[in-house]
Amino acid sequence: AQSVTQLDSQVPVFEEAPVELRCNYSSSVSVYLFWYVQYPNQGLQLLLKYLSGSTLVKGINGFEAEFNKSQTSFHLRKPSVHISDTAEYFCAVTPLDGATNKLIFGTGTLLAVQP
Amino acid sequence: GAGVSQTPSNKVTEKGKYVELRCDPISGHTALYWYRQSLGQGPEFLIYFQGTGAADDSGLPNDRFFAVRPEGSVSTLKIQRTERGDSAVYLCASSESVGTDTQYFGPGTRLTVL
Repeated sequence: AQSVTQLDSQVPVFEEAPVELRCNYSSSVSVYLFWYVQYPNQGLQLLLKYLSGSTLVKGINGFEAEFNKSQTSFHLRKPSVHISDTAEYFCAVTPLDGATNKLIFGTGTLLAVQP
Repeated sequence: GAGVSQTPSNKVTEKGKYVELRCDPISGHTALYWYRQSLGQGPEFLIYFQGTGAADDSGLPNDRFFAVRPEGSVSTLKIQRTERGDSAVYLCASSESVGTDTQYFGPGTRLTVL
């Protein structure tokens, strides 16, 4: 079975400051990794994904994430946040067990950017 | 182009009633997923369709929940004898096929069982 842990339920940060949202996963098989963002009153939107290759993945809106297999982590970072980045961020994995493409999500981290 | 749409956006029902939630995937997408998001939680997988058939229904919580996709496009999630614990946002997603394809999510249907 797989599980995803997002250690911080809420991260307050000032505008233009850097931010890191933490994600750890547990799986007995290899996984693909994803970050989704949910803006207020909107649906989930893909930020970035790691399938293979370079462990540093760049996504939309200036976000990036680094896959660390030894630490089973996939932390999300942005060097300078904007007010408009305020949203709920979800880390997710898909197990590569040949069954389905289902996503297993963490509980989410609310990024609250303050002026 | 048009994204994934879900109707209704909100549904309020009474305990014990039957409800149907509809999902219109992106045109041409063969894979369709249903998830449920309870307050303060991440989305939880319910069922996955590849074409018309349910390829994985391991996430359905019990036999009160059922989903169909008769023509390989629109899908309906059906809940019988609703309970207060069924209250949640039900999300639908679609992708071109399986594997590494991105899942595109709809806005969800907020179900409230009184």
